[in-house]
Amino acid sequence: AQTVTQSQPEMSVQEAETVTLSCTYDTSESDYYLFWYKQPPSRQMILVIRQEAYKQQNATENRFSVNFQKAAKSFSLKISDSQLGDAAMYFCAYRTRLASGNTGTASKLTFGTGTRLQVTL
Amino acid sequence: SAVISQKPSRDICQRGTSLTIQCQVDSQVTMMFWYRQQPGQSLTLIATANQGSEATYESGFVIDKFPISRPNLTFSTLTVSNMSPEDSSIYLCSVVPLFLGEQYFGPGTRLTVT
Repeated sequence: AQTVTQSQPEMSVQEAETVTLSCTYDTSESDYYLFWYKQPPSRQMILVIRQEAYKQQNATENRFSVNFQKAAKSFSLKISDSQLGDAAMYFCAYRTRLASGNTGTASKLTFGTGTRLQVTL
Repeated sequence: SAVISQKPSRDICQRGTSLTIQCQVDSQVTMMFWYRQQPGQSLTLIATANQGSEATYESGFVIDKFPISRPNLTFSTLTVSNMSPEDSSIYLCSVVPLFLGEQYFGPGTRLTVT
């Protein structure tokens, strides 16, 4: 079974600075997705970024980027130029990639325990 | 992406009663899931809602306690039956749109059982 570990229960960053959230996972599969989700106090789960395991290039979305180390099974999230609105719980998640042409059997997301990010002035 | 709505957004219920939560998506999706998030915790999958057939439940969750319906590709319901205070949680609907890898979440239903 896949497991996802987030070893940082809480992190703090000053506005405009950069912060990195850690995530490691364990799997015997070679093809999968990794995600970072953000959950602000409104409790809405927001997809921040997605990485496909077969892609060597690290995913980026504006101020958010990942450092994906497949051999080390590590998937960290870097937030640059932190803003007050970035304050939230961040969850790392894993999902098996769908077989080619098979869109009807998506497997479940496995979540880490989350990291609470505080952004200070 | 997909726009997902859930009703109700929150409710306070008495012990022993049942609550049905609705999830509506603005487009057809392949998979719909129901998650539970207990206070201060991560998300735990309850079940996969299968269109036209019985839901697939995760270990620790049973149909008698959490009956699920999915009559079509855009709608599902989760019922929390015979509630106890331990059922106080946020319940989230989640979907995988057709031909996409992303998984999206509804706004959640905050349930408090007294």
